[in-house]
Amino acid sequence: DTGVSQNPRHKITKRGQNVTFRCDPISEHNRLYWYRQTLGQGPEFLTYFQNEAQLEKSRLLSDRFSAERPKGSFSTLEIQRTEQGDSAMYLCASSPSTVSGELFFGEGSRLTVL
Amino acid sequence: GENVEQHPSTLSVQEGDSAVIKCTYSDSASNYFPWYKQELGKRPQLIIDIRSNVGEKKDQRIAVTLNKTAKHFSLHITETQPEDSAVYFCAASRDRTGANSKLTFGKGITLSVRP
Repeated sequence: DTGVSQNPRHKITKRGQNVTFRCDPISEHNRLYWYRQTLGQGPEFLTYFQNEAQLEKSRLLSDRFSAERPKGSFSTLEIQRTEQGDSAMYLCASSPSTVSGELFFGEGSRLTVL
Repeated sequence: GENVEQHPSTLSVQEGDSAVIKCTYSDSASNYFPWYKQELGKRPQLIIDIRSNVGEKKDQRIAVTLNKTAKHFSLHITETQPEDSAVYFCAASRDRTGANSKLTFGKGITLSVRP
């Protein structure tokens, strides 16, 4: 499968714990995005990378959230000191830097904070 | 920042009828407007998009129209089929460099096609 891959697919954690999600984009894509989706809502933008550079971060991304893409390939999203309000589906997407604007989404990582 | 709104939140149509889903946006600088379909438990997937230099685009049974003056765009699905049942998200972005900076999504509309 050459699509966007995310893991883990599901994570259940206790409040206050740290969690990390990984995203492997489509290999030729140099843009990588993180979105968060809660039930009944559209995806909310969190951050995006062009290669290894983090170009924009949403104000939704508090200082408990950090994302990296150290070699311009895979990316990690870490949430420290999780809160119940962090429970959501975390979606990763990638796109090529071409005229096409299509985002290719992964299956998502579902986080449940107890 | 950009604000994208979709109304209503649900739409039910009879199989074979047409469905029209509308979206409004707030940022007059937005110039790229895609529509994504998300089936239950699946990832969002692009079904059609339009840029601000055209007013309409068609792809088989689906079409998108854009009214820049009124800042709204619509998705049209003809001859609806049960497999069209899904959540449809509209989105908008300022597409400066030929690729998206970021997309702002609406809340989605749940389309149900009755057999």
